[in-house]
Amino acid sequence: QKEVEQNSGPLSVPEGAIASLNCTYSDRGSQSFFWYRQYSGKSPELIMSIYSNGDKEDGRFTAQLNKASQYVSLLIRDSQPSDSATYLCAVNRDSNYQLIWGAGTKLIIKP
Amino acid sequence: NAGVTQTPKFQVLKTGQSMTLQCAQDMNHNSMYWYRQDPGMGLRLIYYSASEGTTDKGEVPNGYNVSRLNKREFSLRLESAAPSQTSVYFCASSTGTIEETQYFGPGTRLLVL
Repeated sequence: QKEVEQNSGPLSVPEGAIASLNCTYSDRGSQSFFWYRQYSGKSPELIMSIYSNGDKEDGRFTAQLNKASQYVSLLIRDSQPSDSATYLCAVNRDSNYQLIWGAGTKLIIKP
Repeated sequence: NAGVTQTPKFQVLKTGQSMTLQCAQDMNHNSMYWYRQDPGMGLRLIYYSASEGTTDKGEVPNGYNVSRLNKREFSLRLESAAPSQTSVYFCASSTGTIEETQYFGPGTRLLVL
């Protein structure tokens, strides 16, 4: 079992709809959770971070964390073609502060 | 404020050649990281430096060495390149706290023939 798992996709969503991206993790002691966006040929950039159970909203983005079920999700409302990218989930290791990365979900927003 | 910079952007090596990838950050971050990214594999940590003067192995350190030259600079050296080291290499930095937001450089695309 991978430590951080994501569906590789591609996930195709119509423009204006809600895109839902999911991530599960295995380390119950993890405390910090991150969503990064990576455009093709570019470096990852931080979209959202979340540290406690529940929802965290930032503009069109909402991160959701459920530590009991060990999953974190990212919702993108009113999806735009510019949201088309690979979304990487990252979780810190309990034993140190290193991040463990999922392989990413490729999101395609269709106009 | 350039953030994290990496050189070179692209490099072609022959098997057995050596090279050093350079990384610098101007955000006064304590921690720096070297990752490689291969298709379908996500980011894998090669080495990291939690603070100036310290370095530690990550998930895939074999075939690599690092130097934390000072607080700003962290270099990655391939002593004898192999085709399996063909990848995209990213340097990142962070404050080193539990929040651990990492900021990435633009990457180096390495092709080993």
